[in-house]
Amino acid sequence: GAVVSQHPSWVICKSGTSVKIECRSLDFQATTMFWYRQFPKQSLMLMATSNEGSKATYEQGVEKDKFLINHASLTLSTLTVTSAHPEDSSFYICSASSADTRTITYNEQFFGPGTRLTVL
Amino acid sequence: TQLLEQSPQFLSIQEGENLTVYCNSSSVFSSLQWYRQEPGEGPVLLVTVVTGGEVKKLKRLTFQFGDARKDSSLHITAAQPGDTGLYLCAGAPQGGSEKLVFGKGTKLTVNP
Repeated sequence: GAVVSQHPSWVICKSGTSVKIECRSLDFQATTMFWYRQFPKQSLMLMATSNEGSKATYEQGVEKDKFLINHASLTLSTLTVTSAHPEDSSFYICSASSADTRTITYNEQFFGPGTRLTVL
Repeated sequence: TQLLEQSPQFLSIQEGENLTVYCNSSSVFSSLQWYRQEPGEGPVLLVTVVTGGEVKKLKRLTFQFGDARKDSSLHITAAQPGDTGLYLCAGAPQGGSEKLVFGKGTKLTVNP
C-alpha cells in the first residue's frame, strides 16, 4: 500500500516553455501533498505544501507564480513550472500523506519516483 | 528552526562490515522516519519510530529512537552492495506540523 506515482519520469523542454508534472496517490487518499526539489548529491528541499481544495503554501524563496501547484482531488496534485529556464533544471519529487491514521502513521510521507527536468 | 544533524555524510565500506548512521537534534520530534533513496528515484520509507526508546528491526537494519525523541540511529549489520544508497532521516516536529525536517543524508557505498 501507500503508492505514489509521478508523471512524467523525465522531460526535456526549451527555455520559456511550461512543464506540468503530475503526482498521484494510487491506493490512498492524500489529504496533503508536498513538492520537493533535489539537487545532485543533496537532500530534499521542500518547495510547497498543498492540501486538497485549497491554495498551496510555499516555502520562503519559492516563487509561487513560477511554480504553480494545483491539488484538485484527494489523489492528484500537479506542479507546473512556468516559463522554464535552465536554472530550473532539477529533480522534482512529490510526496503524499494522509490524515487517515487507520492505514498510515501520522506524518509519514510516501514519495513518488521523481521527475528529472532538463531545460535547454 | 528545527534541524536534524545527520552523520556521517559519506560512508564507503566493504561488504560484510557493520555501520551506524546518526541523526541528532536539540528539538523533540513526535515521530521520525528513515528513508533510502537510490539514484534517479524517489525516497522509499524504511521505518517510522514514534515512541522514545523504541527499537525496530528490518532484517539487517536496526533503528532506534532516543529516549527523549531528539535523536535516532540506523545500524546495518553485515552490509551488502544492495544496501548502497542515500539514507535520509526525517523528523515530524511536535505541534502538529505536517512538514518533515530532513537531515542532509548519508551516502553509503558498500563495495563487494
